[in-house]
Amino acid sequence: DAGITQSPRHKVTETGTPVTLRCHQTENHRYMYWYRQDPGHGLRLIHYSYGVKDTDKGEVSDGYSVSRSKTEDFLLTLESATSSQTSVYFCAITSSSYNEQFFGPGTRLTVL
Amino acid sequence: LAKTTQPISMDSYEGQEVNITCSHNNIATNDYITWYQQFPSQGPRFIIQGYKTKVTNEVASLFIPADRKSSTLSLPRVSLSDTAVYYCLVGAGTRGSYIPTFGRGTSLIVHP
Repeated sequence: DAGITQSPRHKVTETGTPVTLRCHQTENHRYMYWYRQDPGHGLRLIHYSYGVKDTDKGEVSDGYSVSRSKTEDFLLTLESATSSQTSVYFCAITSSSYNEQFFGPGTRLTVL
Repeated sequence: LAKTTQPISMDSYEGQEVNITCSHNNIATNDYITWYQQFPSQGPRFIIQGYKTKVTNEVASLFIPADRKSSTLSLPRVSLSDTAVYYCLVGAGTRGSYIPTFGRGTSLIVHP
């Protein structure tokens, strides 16, 4: 399995609090992605990165920000969590934008 | 951005061959076709990727007609463990121009 971890794996928080999810890779892959998965919606791309300090928005980026200060870490931040952001969040990595993506184990976030 | 359409769900029985077709009418010249499999509570896993004609690996085959407006994932002799959601993705690109779109996928249920 690709060396990709996510932390925390589970988190319960309250509306209005900031939350940061971390994706860490040991593969030195260039591309990293954050997705959310909700029933009836499949996986939807939030943000992605194509290099250190190079990031861009996906289809559901409102309410989220990201940062990538080094190759191995891609952080997803919810500045002020809302109940609509309750979801399972997956991080993925790939060496090339059209090559196979390797996914992390996911983070289950509940916003009360 | 190439949009894909695939059946929401399919049922099959152990030992049968399963074919899942994905439509992608506006596929671009440099787009690849990639399929992923996802089990409950796990991130998607790469199955197969192709550009044209036929690709086969130890898990599945991918058939792509000459016009490339559709593709068919073929799973030979499925077992209960093949019960999963299968996603078809179309895209390519460099430096962040490719935004992976998973959609809702096809939920395959294999019955005894």
